[in-house]
Amino acid sequence: GDSVTQMEGPVTLSEEAFLTINCTYTATGYPSLFWYVQYPGEGLQLLLKATKADDKGSNKGFEATYRKETTSFHLEKGSVQVSDSAVYFCALSGGSNYKLTFGKGTLLTVNP
Amino acid sequence: DAMVIQNPRYQVTQFGKPVTLSCSQTLNHNVMYWYQQKSSQAPKLLFHYYDKDFNNEADTPDNFQSRRPNTSFCFLDIRSPGLGDAAMYLCATSRDQTAGPYNEQFFGPGTRLTVL
Repeated sequence: GDSVTQMEGPVTLSEEAFLTINCTYTATGYPSLFWYVQYPGEGLQLLLKATKADDKGSNKGFEATYRKETTSFHLEKGSVQVSDSAVYFCALSGGSNYKLTFGKGTLLTVNP
Repeated sequence: DAMVIQNPRYQVTQFGKPVTLSCSQTLNHNVMYWYQQKSSQAPKLLFHYYDKDFNNEADTPDNFQSRRPNTSFCFLDIRSPGLGDAAMYLCATSRDQTAGPYNEQFFGPGTRLTVL
């Protein structure tokens, strides 16, 4: 079945540092890929998405590129802020069902 | 703004006392989902509705039930909450998949359930 593997956390960075959170997937067909962010005590918010190979999703300075050849969708940001501290989930949706398959989540803490 | 609303945000119940969580949406989406999320874990899908068609996950306990009286509202009923049911419950919606190639889900803020 479908699966998502993402970088184990927690990740702790200083403000303005470069961020990468790795995500790889296993799926049949051509899934859509997502990054969701969850701030403490809140629900999940869609951060960015990509629906086909070589698509780049971007939002709020975050980027991720759908790499079919490496089955990856790594999240990057050039300069993190304290306000980026949250849990980040990589997810995929594919096939004929409506379900999202989530990775385990990566806790990011950004210190001033 | 179109959105997914969950009430209450915090719910305290007693062991074995039935509890109902509610979700409403103004997005007019066909599909509504209920997830359970425990601390430091990914959300776990309990069930979803495609319009009025109910789809239960194989490993969802019978203790969890759901109702969707109309497009806008969906309820999660926990018939006899146990201590292990304390969690964040997330409601989400998505459009009919035939409307597009992807299944972006829109989440509500969640209800934090405490079982005493």
